[in-house]
Amino acid sequence: DSGVTQTPKHLITATGQRVTLRCSPRSGDLSVYWYQQSLDQGLQFLIQYYNGEERAKGNILERFSAQQFPDLHSELNLSSLELGDSALYFCASSAWTDVMNTEAFFGQGTRLTVV
Amino acid sequence: DAKTTQPTSMDCAEGRAANLPCNHSTISGNEYVYWYRQIHSQGPQYIIHGLKNNETNEMASLIITEDRKSSTLILPHATLRDTAVYYCIAWGTSYDKVIFGPGTSLSVIP
Repeated sequence: DSGVTQTPKHLITATGQRVTLRCSPRSGDLSVYWYQQSLDQGLQFLIQYYNGEERAKGNILERFSAQQFPDLHSELNLSSLELGDSALYFCASSAWTDVMNTEAFFGQGTRLTVV
Repeated sequence: DAKTTQPTSMDCAEGRAANLPCNHSTISGNEYVYWYRQIHSQGPQYIIHGLKNNETNEMASLIITEDRKSSTLILPHATLRDTAVYYCIAWGTSYDKVIFGPGTSLSVIP
């Protein structure tokens, strides 16, 4: 158990709909990362938050947005869903210091199926 | 971010050491080498990381060349449960994106 909790584990929805994926980081971790993994594809970095602020952005579609709340949990919002958005969505968290790297711990993912 | 290159796939006999290479010739001085693995659609699992010294933990050993342009992850006694995709990543600070490449698909064969 990595300590990172993602909900829901599975989600099936129709094209055009909007969904919200939730991530609770490990206790004390300030950084949250979101990744998308489509079938037979690698992990695509979407976005990173640190203590409520956006820190780094990857190839995140404009239809997707995320935020990190004061209690440090994060949500990834996916709207106007298309069939191609079907994927595993992973959240990871890490501690942060300005002098030392720490590893990132991943949740078990949310499997999104768009039909 | 430094790019890393890894072989697409490797096989290893059960009980033998698995040596997974990674090239990171453009790594910068403040970037660590991290190794993760992903077992069939589970969340990636942290294995080990290092800056310039060799590292060992209960899962694996990491050997980094003196010039830091390459590294090798060693699983000393591979088991069937080590079959996974192994990712080598160069990561500087928490301000950096953590970018995963395609990784190496390791198959441990009975």
